[in-house]
Amino acid sequence: DAGVTQSPTHLIKTRGQQVTLRCSPKSGHDTVSWYQQALGQGPQFIFQYYEEEERQRGNFPDRFSGHQFPNYSSELNVNALLLGDSALYLCASSLEIWPQSIYGYTFGSGTRLTVV
Amino acid sequence: DAKTTQPTSMDCAEGRAANLPCNHSTISGNEYVYWYRQIHSQGPQYIIHGLKNNETNEMASLIITEDRKSSTLILPHATLRDTAVYYCIVRVTGNQFYFGTGTSLTVIP
Repeated sequence: DAGVTQSPTHLIKTRGQQVTLRCSPKSGHDTVSWYQQALGQGPQFIFQYYEEEERQRGNFPDRFSGHQFPNYSSELNVNALLLGDSALYLCASSLEIWPQSIYGYTFGSGTRLTVV
Repeated sequence: DAKTTQPTSMDCAEGRAANLPCNHSTISGNEYVYWYRQIHSQGPQYIIHGLKNNETNEMASLIITEDRKSSTLILPHATLRDTAVYYCIVRVTGNQFYFGTGTSLTVIP
């Protein structure tokens, strides 16, 4: 059973460019959340998608946007990249009924984005 | 306001029990506490979760105080492979979950 798949694994971009990161959720999961993890810090919530809509958003600027497709996969887009956007971007999938269910987040291995 | 407070780092001898504390004094009555760990900047891995009763699974035990303001994750027989950053997680609002900075556990041979 495939877990959460993220692509690419590593990426180098130049300041001002735009980037798209991709995530395929665990089979059977319908909700996708994105987290940003700066070096030495815990993951920070960016937003969550359910039924192809952004359901909740953390404290991130509008440069960060996303999309969820009918097959539940998701994309994270970041425009006008800043050096401070360099981080590990984690995708987590879950069931909508969580946390009432016994299942928590399942995380992917992340995309390491470096902005130069 | 920190939603969870954990020690920055801890050491544990191999084969001994590792006890990782977490304070979550603002947790709501129906909110679960989750523990995850992260090894070498891989994606965080689920360990255990609980509401108010103590929980045990094949990986760990979770002890939650009666007032639910703190909890302790117990790894009963720590191995070198348990060296990781351990996160105690609670829900902030809606679907937003707070990770904090976690505890870096080093298991020493």
